[in-house]
Amino acid sequence: TQLLEQSPQFLSIQEGENLTVYCNSSSVFSSLQWYRQEPGEGPVLLVTVVTGGEVKKLKRLTFQFGDARKDSSLHITAAQPGDTGLYLCAGADYGYGQNFVFGPGTRLSVLP
Amino acid sequence: DAGITQSPRHKVTETGTPVTLRCHQTENHRYMYWYRQDPGHGLRLIHYSYGVKDTDKGEVSDGYSVSRSKTEDFLLTLESATSSQTSVYFCAIQSGLASGNTIYFGEGSWLTVV
Repeated sequence: TQLLEQSPQFLSIQEGENLTVYCNSSSVFSSLQWYRQEPGEGPVLLVTVVTGGEVKKLKRLTFQFGDARKDSSLHITAAQPGDTGLYLCAGADYGYGQNFVFGPGTRLSVLP
Repeated sequence: DAGITQSPRHKVTETGTPVTLRCHQTENHRYMYWYRQDPGHGLRLIHYSYGVKDTDKGEVSDGYSVSRSKTEDFLLTLESATSSQTSVYFCAIQSGLASGNTIYFGEGSWLTVV
């Protein structure tokens, strides 16, 4: 059974601070996605990483896929209250099908 | 925007009544999914579909059935709702491989069984 772990589970920081959240597994994934979910809404895709070692940037967010495609990190620079939400990572198995594995999420609160 | 619409968005129903949630997509994706999200359990797959009339069970399929008579619509039915099925339900579609095998979610349907 494929499992994804996320750490930390909860994170509360002040506006302007930097943070990193982690997504780890013992399984290899063909791709990995990061989502942000706000209360009362569905998860919204932030990024998909496909290649081992890949780094993608989305404004103040930097995503990295591990070389072995088993783990990923999300780094936020100068966090803002608008970054508050539940961050989910999801790993995709090869090919089409039902094989998406979701982490439990990191709940981030950025205080003004 | 992945072109996914869920209905109803909110529903309160009584124990033992049937409930159907609808997912409609506008982009002709082959794969569609129903997940439920609960505190402490995260997102769990209920059923998925890989084409018209082609469906399969997920991790938590007991008490649920699905149907897909058209590419664009994927229905989730609770034949006899129970309080344990109080949850938020998300429909999702899978994009093509060229995009990195990604799924996109709808906005959710909040179901309360009283």
